[in-house]
Amino acid sequence: KQEVTQIPAALSVPEGENLVLNCSFTDSAIYNLQWFRQDPGKGLTSLLLIQSSQREQTSGRLNASLDKSSGRSTLYIAASQPGDSATYLCALIMIKAAGNKLTFGGGTRVLVKP
Amino acid sequence: GAGVSQSPSNKVTEKGKDVELRCDPISGHTALYWYRQSLGQGLEFLIYFQGNSAPDKSGLPSDRFSAERTGGSVSTLTIQRTQQEDSAVYLCASSLITGTSSSYEQYFGPGTRLTVT
Repeated sequence: KQEVTQIPAALSVPEGENLVLNCSFTDSAIYNLQWFRQDPGKGLTSLLLIQSSQREQTSGRLNASLDKSSGRSTLYIAASQPGDSATYLCALIMIKAAGNKLTFGGGTRVLVKP
Repeated sequence: GAGVSQSPSNKVTEKGKDVELRCDPISGHTALYWYRQSLGQGLEFLIYFQGNSAPDKSGLPSDRFSAERTGGSVSTLTIQRTQQEDSAVYLCASSLITGTSSSYEQYFGPGTRLTVT
């Protein structure tokens, strides 16, 4: 059974500091990986999708890497801002002919202090 | 264009009553997913639709849970004889499944917060 772990569960940093969020998984089979942001009481906003053949994806201040051999993905957020405060979730996408269900980590709750 | 929408946004019901939760996916998305987010359990997969059929129902927690999708669009998740442990946020997502892996990205709705009293 695939297990996805995110450590730490919570993180607090001063504004301007770079954020490093970790995601690890137990099964090194071929998966896509997706990072999401969730604000309190809201749904999930997709941040980045890394395909199984890729090693990283970048969007603005965000960069996500994928290392299947070690079962890890890292989300970097450069020059953090108070608006980056949210819960960040990683999810593995098991690609099957019958669909691509997501297996989520527990999330990292981030607080960026002004 | 419009994203995934869900209704109602909040639902409070008494234990033992039935509830229906609705999801409108992004137009043209053939795949639709239901997930549940509850305290202490995180986000868990419930059921997946490809068109109107549900190839994967493995996440449904009991036979009190059922879902259907009609016309390849709107989906309804029904919970019968609700229990307090059913209290959670129910999230719906849709994706466009084609031959390119980038189309596997899932887009989520805002969720329905269900409270069973």
